[in-house]
Amino acid sequence: QSALTQPPSASGSPGQSVTISCTGTSSDVGGYNYVSWYQQHPGKAPKLLISEVSKRPSGVPDRFSGSKSGNTASLTVSGLQAEDEADYYCSSYGGRSNFKVFGTGTKVTVL
Amino acid sequence: EVRLVQSGAEVKKPGESLKISCKDSGSTFTNSWVGWVRQMPGKGLEWMGMIYPGNSDTRYSPSFQGQVSMSGDKSISTVYLQWSSLTPTDTAMYFCARGDHAMDVWGQGTAVTVSS
Repeated sequence: QSALTQPPSASGSPGQSVTISCTGTSSDVGGYNYVSWYQQHPGKAPKLLISEVSKRPSGVPDRFSGSKSGNTASLTVSGLQAEDEADYYCSSYGGRSNFKVFGTGTKVTVL
Repeated sequence: EVRLVQSGAEVKKPGESLKISCKDSGSTFTNSWVGWVRQMPGKGLEWMGMIYPGNSDTRYSPSFQGQVSMSGDKSISTVYLQWSSLTPTDTAMYFCARGDHAMDVWGQGTAVTVSS
């Protein structure tokens, strides 16, 4: 099963917002509300930001929000801060034959 | 606080076998799925599969089925990822993480280098 499609890069100035898309199919993103988002800084383990499309785990700032429309999920980072510069990955349940699939990843740069 | 502690970096030759580990310091393993994720140098995350340590049920990504095996020992809150014959393309960072649909606690990663 192919990886979910994300834009390779996104950028914004401090205080601005950036939205990252994650496009799949009706067999994964569009078929289930099991989309999650992860942030990864260089040399570090990923960190869960969003689960089940839009749920924020305890400790994740409300600047991070998730949504979904059809086969595309989105992560919005509002009020960009320098520490938001990182790689971001989406993932989705892919059905019984391929339980989980990650997105291709998006590098966010804070200008 | 739940922590997942992975075994240290490994350097192996092609054809050798390897087993890396992931230990749960919070003893929550028996009630959670634990997944493995590969990250090749400079590349993205790839879900390899997961194991439920409570009963050793496993699910593999089609891309990794038959290439690796996952096991666990709930008595010591540890899960393992194993290769029987490594190739240079197995060179990567490997992460374990708790959870199925959402992976909320991650290990620090184990770097595996396969080179002759």
